[in-house]
Amino acid sequence: TQLLEQSPQFLSIQEGENLTVYCNSSSVFSSLQWYRQEPGEGPVLLVTVVTGGEVKKLKRLTFQFGDARKDSSLHITAAQPGDTGLYLCAGARGGSNYKLTFGKGTLLTVNP
Amino acid sequence: GAGVSQSPRYKVAKRGQDVALRCDPISGHVSLFWYQQALGQGPEFLTYFQNEAQLDKSGLPSDRFFAERPEGSVSTLKIQRTQQEDSAVYLCASSPTDSYLGGTQYFGPGTRLLVL
Repeated sequence: TQLLEQSPQFLSIQEGENLTVYCNSSSVFSSLQWYRQEPGEGPVLLVTVVTGGEVKKLKRLTFQFGDARKDSSLHITAAQPGDTGLYLCAGARGGSNYKLTFGKGTLLTVNP
Repeated sequence: GAGVSQSPRYKVAKRGQDVALRCDPISGHVSLFWYQQALGQGPEFLTYFQNEAQLDKSGLPSDRFFAERPEGSVSTLKIQRTQQEDSAVYLCASSPTDSYLGGTQYFGPGTRLLVL
């Protein structure tokens, strides 16, 4: 059973389009992180959200944590080819903040 | 500055061979983690060290997997009698804080293990 479900699994769009990827769970997390992973590299942290309803912006990327702290979304505005990569969400649960549970990821391809 | 490094980057092993994967964390980082990432999957937690102490090894899939960090710096993940299902990318991550603060984990590039 996958604790964190990410959707869509694959996404191919044209440069300039907007997109949203989702991370859903039936479990409550004390914090949720989003990573981007490129081929042959390890995941790189983009953002951590800890408060229900929290919204964080990182340039063209907007991250939201659900009110109940069970789900999150990542919205990219005006996608660029450099945004191509595997986007992973990872949750930490109270008492084990170090133990991240990852989703399977969304593989995003932005075509020029 | 140097990030987390892992060696070898690629390893091909015959079924039944033992392998050792090395992780050099960022200097001074207290916490060290190992993850296993199968093809098309997200990373899965294997084990956690705080300095030289292995505080959590609940994710190790079998007793063929063993990890150590004897001096609280470099860590080695050893897999004995490798099986085909062990084929995956093994990621190491380090963090400057201890487990309770849940600090940022910095990942290495991984070792891609292929067991034939």
